Amino acid sequence: NAGVTQTPKFQVLKTGQSMTLQCAQDMNHEYMSWYRQDPGMGLRLIHYSVGAGITDQGEVPNGYNVSRSTTEDFPLRLLSAAPSQTSVYFCASSYSSAGGPHEQYFGPGTRLTVT
Amino acid sequence: AQSVSQHNHHVILSEAASLELGCNYSYGGTVNLFWYVQYPGQHLQLLLKYFSGDPLVKGIKGFEAEFIKSKFSFNLRKPSVQWSDTAEYFCAVNPADSWGKLQFGAGTQVVVTP
Repeated sequence: NAGVTQTPKFQVLKTGQSMTLQCAQDMNHEYMSWYRQDPGMGLRLIHYSVGAGITDQGEVPNGYNVSRSTTEDFPLRLLSAAPSQTSVYFCASSYSSAGGPHEQYFGPGTRLTVT
Repeated sequence: AQSVSQHNHHVILSEAASLELGCNYSYGGTVNLFWYVQYPGQHLQLLLKYFSGDPLVKGIKGFEAEFIKSKFSFNLRKPSVQWSDTAEYFCAVNPADSWGKLQFGAGTQVVVTP
């Protein structure tokens, strides 16, 4: 299994540009999430999904869109990039049981710089 | 607002010293609890998790954590650290009323000196 894959690894955008960060998992996990990691702030949840066709907002959803048309893929779209979106972005997936979702499996991250 | 608090942002200790990292959360209901570690330049990896049962859980690399429900705490411990434990440690909480909405603490940077 490849696990959770993310592309690209690095990206530089100009203010106002749009782009899509790709995320895919091959573990048939129901849950998928997008986080951003900034120094001193831990990981903050942007959007998450509990299954294909179902998404919801996290802590910091503004400026980002997601969709989940398949179990495997969960792309994150930046609509109009701003310098405040400079960050490292992690995608994660997890499976669930009767006790709830289990641990997150993280992708390698995308380092985004907005100038 | 519901939150996850990690008491120390930065910890420096010598090899063989004991480590304890505090984590408190403010959710009132059922929660699933996790500790993750991030080694320099890598993504997060699970150290241990608590869903139910014995409140003392053991994880990888000699780490353990104790869930104290009355204190809303889930503190991480290791009796004797090694230089290779230098990393950032994150506590995370998933409340039962919003499965999937995992919330992380701000993290604790641990530096172990030889």
